[in-house]
Amino acid sequence: QQQVKQSPQSLIVQKGGISIINCAYENTAFDYFPWYQQFPGKGPALLIAIRPDVSEKKEGRFTISFNKSAKQFSLHIMDSQPGDSATYFCAASMGTSGSRLTFGEGTQLTVNP
Amino acid sequence: GAVVSQHPSWVICKSGTSVKIECRSLDFQATTMFWYRQFPKQSLMLMATSNEGSKATYEQGVEKDKFLINHASLTLSTLTVTSAHPEDSSFYICSAPSAGGSNEQFFGPGTRLTVL
Repeated sequence: QQQVKQSPQSLIVQKGGISIINCAYENTAFDYFPWYQQFPGKGPALLIAIRPDVSEKKEGRFTISFNKSAKQFSLHIMDSQPGDSATYFCAASMGTSGSRLTFGEGTQLTVNP
Repeated sequence: GAVVSQHPSWVICKSGTSVKIECRSLDFQATTMFWYRQFPKQSLMLMATSNEGSKATYEQGVEKDKFLINHASLTLSTLTVTSAHPEDSSFYICSAPSAGGSNEQFFGPGTRLTVL
């Protein structure tokens, strides 16, 4: 059973625009929520992660918004650039270090020049 | 950040042969490593959890006799695809959790397996 739902499946934005990707989870035991960026033929790379004790985390142009009561979190990419074109995955895990990640379905982001 | 390597980065083999993929944590030790399979335009599917010094834990539906996992040391895990068939063609990715106590995981660059 897929425990992390991600939308949209694909997203096209213009350069300089804001890209927003949403995820929803079911398991309230999840306490670590990372976002990964993956380019074709490469492994995923961690972009930014959040824990449920904060509602927002910002690193450069990337911001995670977290809504614990709604069991939702989202990635905002400000001033989107063509180099941001990639597939983005949200994920969740629980408990101690070394716990398995549950991934969302992925979002193919295209930023047009 | 920590670095995880995989070897080979790509491999082409004939149907019926076996292929071994290595996953190494280069600058940290990992008692646990994870193996994923990713088909085109799909998400990462966890295949198994590799445990140093003990048997791997396989996800439901993954044939343990077909996908042999050996966690030989604290920096090396191997995945052997035995009697490979064209349907095993995929992108295989490993990851290792941070040794620093956080939940962060570091992913390898992946191995593209093509079975003819």
